Amino acid sequence: GAGVSQSPSNKVTEKGKDVELRCDPISGHTALYWYRQSLGQGLEFLIYFQGNSAPDKSGLPSDRFSAERTGGSVSTLTIQRTQQEDSAVYLCASSVRGGGFYGYTFGSGTRLTVV
Amino acid sequence: SQQGEEDPQALSIQEGENATMNCSYKTSINNLQWYRQNSGRGLVHLILIRSNEREKHSGRLRVTLDTSKKSSSLLITASRAADTASYFCATDYQKVTFGTGTKLQVIP
Repeated sequence: GAGVSQSPSNKVTEKGKDVELRCDPISGHTALYWYRQSLGQGLEFLIYFQGNSAPDKSGLPSDRFSAERTGGSVSTLTIQRTQQEDSAVYLCASSVRGGGFYGYTFGSGTRLTVV
Repeated sequence: SQQGEEDPQALSIQEGENATMNCSYKTSINNLQWYRQNSGRGLVHLILIRSNEREKHSGRLRVTLDTSKKSSSLLITASRAADTASYFCATDYQKVTFGTGTKLQVIP
């Protein structure tokens, strides 16, 4: 596709349920990030995939959070047993060769509301 | 944790004036990037400056980098109402981490 696609754009879920957020990066982009942004705040790093290297998971806030990237393309962020504090906009970004030349292209995000 | 800290947190100016936003960071960098965000959704990449560069221009944007002070500034000249947005710096070393952002309001 022409840009980074995230789905769903909005998700309302009940506390305790599991959710899956999807990111389709730009074709050929080897680097992929997930960030979380609470209302009016900055971006909190969650996880970073680069090619076939082991992902940097150092930003995942708890073991309820996990992410995978299949075939070096689509990525899924899974939150198990959601809590109200998980409510935020989850942003995905991708770039070719780690973004050191062109920066990152962001998706429009998934707004997660846990009720 | 946030790598960069922008200041001011909020800035309100009249259309036509210049807007300057600053970013300070803590560790080494390969490059520093500035992004704009409208309406709390996706960010748009504006400009990237490498660690061995001191100044870069792109249209009405001017970015400076002082690695000795671990700081960068973004200048938007002749601001327009459409420039109203949040602006974030991001440092790239082992991974890309973002600052806390500056909310810019340009009053027509």
